[in-house]
Formats: sequence, structure tokens, C-alpha cells
Amino acid sequence: GAVVSQHPSRVICKSGTSVKIECRSLDFQATTMFWYRQFPKKSLMLMATSNEGSKATYEQGVEKDKFLINHASLTLSTLTVTSAHPEDSSFYICSARDQGSGNTIYFGEGSWLTVV
Amino acid sequence: KNQVEQSPQSLIILEGKNCTLQCNYTVSPFSNLRWYKQDTGRGPVSLTIMTFSENTKSNGRYTATLDADTKQSSLHITASQLSDSASYICVVSLNSGYSTLTFGKGTMLLVSP
Repeated sequence: GAVVSQHPSRVICKSGTSVKIECRSLDFQATTMFWYRQFPKKSLMLMATSNEGSKATYEQGVEKDKFLINHASLTLSTLTVTSAHPEDSSFYICSARDQGSGNTIYFGEGSWLTVV
Repeated sequence: KNQVEQSPQSLIILEGKNCTLQCNYTVSPFSNLRWYKQDTGRGPVSLTIMTFSENTKSNGRYTATLDADTKQSSLHITASQLSDSASYICVVSLNSGYSTLTFGKGTMLLVSP
């Protein structure tokens, strides 16, 4: 089946630095990708919708200048956490919509971010 | 307000037993309902997807049902295995936009030996 790959799966960074997480659709083109954040034992929270070739749409309360999203190609979206702080430590998950298979949503494996 | 409520919040069953997870939603207009399995620290994996006209769909030992009139869905797991221990998430899609997904908070299932 369709696969969405996230990289890195785990990353540790220092406070004040920026870290980039990649989301790739491996065998389909995704005009729309989604970025979520998940705290332990909590449900997924949609952060933003990433549209290929245009600006991302952010959910209310999500700082667009802190969480930079780029969707430069039909198979790649990136989330950059800028000036990271310990409270940004979380599990970040992306998903991609496969229009070729009835708009099925496939999720990546997630990326654990720890800011120290 | 569009909502998806799941019950129970958590469940412990013995290996080999069956169980049923519930999902009630108020999302309207409804497009489709999906059940996902999420292992701890992993991304969700799709189990089933049902549209308005579908009442039941199976995927191995997983069987999902949908009653669009009462806006209820259930996920039945038969002959549970230790590997079924995970969070099961019900996700409902609005008919007005493919990107509008409403997530339930999930049911945490623990299968005990």
C-alpha cells in the first residue's frame, strides 16, 4: 500500500536552534499534506494543512512563524520548528492525501522531537 | 460543533477474547468514517474506511460497522492478540472538504496474556 515516510524519526536539539522534519509520499503524489502534534496519551492535533505550491493553512493558535511549512513538490512537505524550546518537545506526525485512491489519508511514522 | 466521541477510554482484555469499541459522532454533513490503529510512538495505520452507504467492512480480525442514522460506529476485534494492544482512533470526514477530519480521542486497548 501507499507509504508516507517521515525523517528523522527521532531528533534531539538544543534550545534556540531550528530543526526540520521531512514528510514524503513514496509512491503517490500528494497535493495536500497535513501536520499534527501529539502529546503523550492525547489525540492528534492538526497544526496545519500544507498545499503544494502555495502557503500552508494554519489552525488557530499555531504560530506560523515558529512552525514553518514548505510543500515545494508533490511528494515532499517539510516542517521546521524554529527557535525551539523545551515545550516544543512532542511527537509530530504528517499525513498525505492520495487522490488516486479515493482521497485515502496515509500517515507517516511520526517524529519524536526533544528540545534540551 | 462537530465532535467524535469514543468509548471506552481504555480497555483491558485477555488474549483470545473479543471486544467492541464505540464511536459516536455529530459531524455533519458526513462523508466517511475511518478507524485507525496507532501503536505507541508510531503513526496511525488505517484499518477501515466506510462511506455513508456502507454498513459494515472487515479487515482480517477487525470488523467495523456504521449506522449513519444514529451516527454510531463500532470496531469489533475478534480473537484478540497481544499485538492488538494499541490506541484505536475513529476519524470522521466532513463532506464539505477532504481535508476536514475530526479525530476522536481514541480508545487505549491493552491485551493481556
